[in-house]
Amino acid sequence: SAVISQKPSRDICQRGTSLTIQCQVDSQVTMMFWYRQQPGQSLTLIATANQGSEATYESGFVIDKFPISRPNLTFSTLTVSNMSPEDSSIYLCSVEGGRAQETQYFGPGTRLLVL
Amino acid sequence: EDKVVQSPLSLVVHEGDTVTLNCSYEVTNFRSLLWYKQEKKAPTFLFMLTSSGIEKKSGRLSSILDKKELFSILNITATQTGDSAIYLCAVEETSGSRLTFGEGTQLTVNP
Repeated sequence: SAVISQKPSRDICQRGTSLTIQCQVDSQVTMMFWYRQQPGQSLTLIATANQGSEATYESGFVIDKFPISRPNLTFSTLTVSNMSPEDSSIYLCSVEGGRAQETQYFGPGTRLLVL
Repeated sequence: EDKVVQSPLSLVVHEGDTVTLNCSYEVTNFRSLLWYKQEKKAPTFLFMLTSSGIEKKSGRLSSILDKKELFSILNITATQTGDSAIYLCAVEETSGSRLTFGEGTQLTVNP
């Protein structure tokens, strides 16, 4: 499985500010995803990060709030813009290698608290 | 809309007990069902199931899928305190590889 790192691992931010989370993989992967896990809840897919094109967002998530970059096959960023306390969550990136029967593996996550 | 339902939502057992966690699903274009263990932040992969009736096993953990009845179970035998975690079930679609997660089962194993 791929080795995935995320930065920062945690942060405390003031409302109205923005935070960019980085996801780095040690090998080229076809698919990268960003998930959110709000306190006490399960994971919800925010978007699929497409290399070389705009991300594909799930219902309820928009590019203005969660801009995503995917400049190459090993790196992606998620920005949480104009934060409010409701954005306090764990943000996780996941990757899928693209081989047949490949599954998704998750990064260590970023725990965000918005005051 | 795709749906994944896990039961029970929480479970408290004693070390040595055997537990069975349930996952039922409704999804349009099923590709696979996955089980993850989440202890702190990152879910760690346990099993991926694509075919009915074939048990996957890893140590004390095993899982099986029933594609006709649309459910899966995760068994843990001889539980240990280190098994305490949230166990997540997710279903993957054929289109775009998106995962839909259930709410999870919070398992607590007491000594």
